[in-house]
Amino acid sequence: EAGVTQSPTHLIKTRGQQATLRCSPISGHTSVYWYQQALGLGLQFLLWYDEGEERNRGNFPPRFSGRQFPNYSSELNVNALELEDSALYLCASSLGGQPYNEQFFGPGTRLTVL
Amino acid sequence: AQTVTQSQPEMSVQEAETVTLSCTYDTSESDYYLFWYKQPPSRQMILVIRQEAYKQQNATENRFSVNFQKAAKSFSLKISDSQLGDAAMYFCAYRTAFGNEKLTFGTGTRLTIIP
Repeated sequence: EAGVTQSPTHLIKTRGQQATLRCSPISGHTSVYWYQQALGLGLQFLLWYDEGEERNRGNFPPRFSGRQFPNYSSELNVNALELEDSALYLCASSLGGQPYNEQFFGPGTRLTVL
Repeated sequence: AQTVTQSQPEMSVQEAETVTLSCTYDTSESDYYLFWYKQPPSRQMILVIRQEAYKQQNATENRFSVNFQKAAKSFSLKISDSQLGDAAMYFCAYRTAFGNEKLTFGTGTRLTIIP
């Protein structure tokens, strides 16, 4: 069974541009989570999607947004990129509905903002 | 809001020895889940072990076990018979029992295995 996949692996943008990151969850998983892992910091929760709806978002500005498609894949968009947005962005998926369900992580997208 | 603290940025252990990674957390909830995740240099985060707060028995997964002290809000990870493949960043994480919510992570401990 395929795990969580993310694309692209690396993304280089300049300040002010927009970045789009993609995530495909494990088959059967309806929940998708996005986390930001900046250098030296732990993972910071960004967004949670379940059944196509945004269920929760972390303490990030509105220029971080996303969506979940009918096939449960997800997209994270970062507008007006700033230098401090440079980080590893991890996507995770889980079966919806129960808090003890394991979150399975993808390999991440390394975003570099110049 | 819940917080998770890992006070050891780096740890090292001799191969085949035992090491304990520390984690403390702060919450006002009585029911929740605690996790240890491992992130090897290849970046893919994987779950090592999970503990449910309402269970008093400490979780064990092969060479990995936890010492869960609910009153002290402490959740340490013990790795026995350390192997070279255990070298990684280890993250402690908290999750509420109410709803399929986010994970709140600590800042991680980098574990080095000395051959």
